[in-house]
Amino acid sequence: DAKTTQPNSMESNEEEPVHLPCNHSTISGTDYIHWYRQLPSQGPEYVIHGLTSNVNNRMASLAIAEDRKSSTLILHRATLRDAAVYYCIPPAPGTYKYIFGTGTRLKVLA
Amino acid sequence: EAGVTQFPSHSVIEKGQTVTLRCDPISGHDNLYWYRRVMGKEIKFLLHFVKESKQDESGMPNNRFLAERTGGTYSTLKVQPAELEDSGVYFCASSESGGLTDTQYFGPGTRLTVL
Repeated sequence: DAKTTQPNSMESNEEEPVHLPCNHSTISGTDYIHWYRQLPSQGPEYVIHGLTSNVNNRMASLAIAEDRKSSTLILHRATLRDAAVYYCIPPAPGTYKYIFGTGTRLKVLA
Repeated sequence: EAGVTQFPSHSVIEKGQTVTLRCDPISGHDNLYWYRRVMGKEIKFLLHFVKESKQDESGMPNNRFLAERTGGTYSTLKVQPAELEDSGVYFCASSESGGLTDTQYFGPGTRLTVL
């Protein structure tokens, strides 16, 4: 299974940008990287996904390294509601199941 | 559009009893997944349905767990008999096509406590 490495925790001030890194050096050439977040007492919530190029949506941006061995989730202006655990998730090879790691717990300071 | 719903939100049972968890996927989603997080560990995959068929049940921990999806709509996950180590949060997710770009949408989870 593809493995990911994320920092255990990060802090950000409110209204500032946040860059959440993820290493996925074992990812295959056709695996998309999905990012989810989990707020307290809720299920994982889809944030964004991508394959090779940078992606943007209303929630965040995703920057994928040229060698695809790492990616960075960018929250352009962190709010208190963005405090959550963020997961980068490659699928298990040959399947569609998600492999969750420990994620990064983001703390947003007012 | 309604999201993935799960019932009940909480369940407290005694060891040896039976519990059935229900998941209603987003309408039109053929793919349904069960995951769980136990004892503060990482979220783990349990199984994947495509319509009513089990596509991948490699994560099911043992034969005390039975998942069904009759008619390819809602799914149930039965634990019989429940053990203490089954305590945790059980998540259901659904997706439309199951492809590599497919996005899974998760429900709020059912918190199961086995005493």
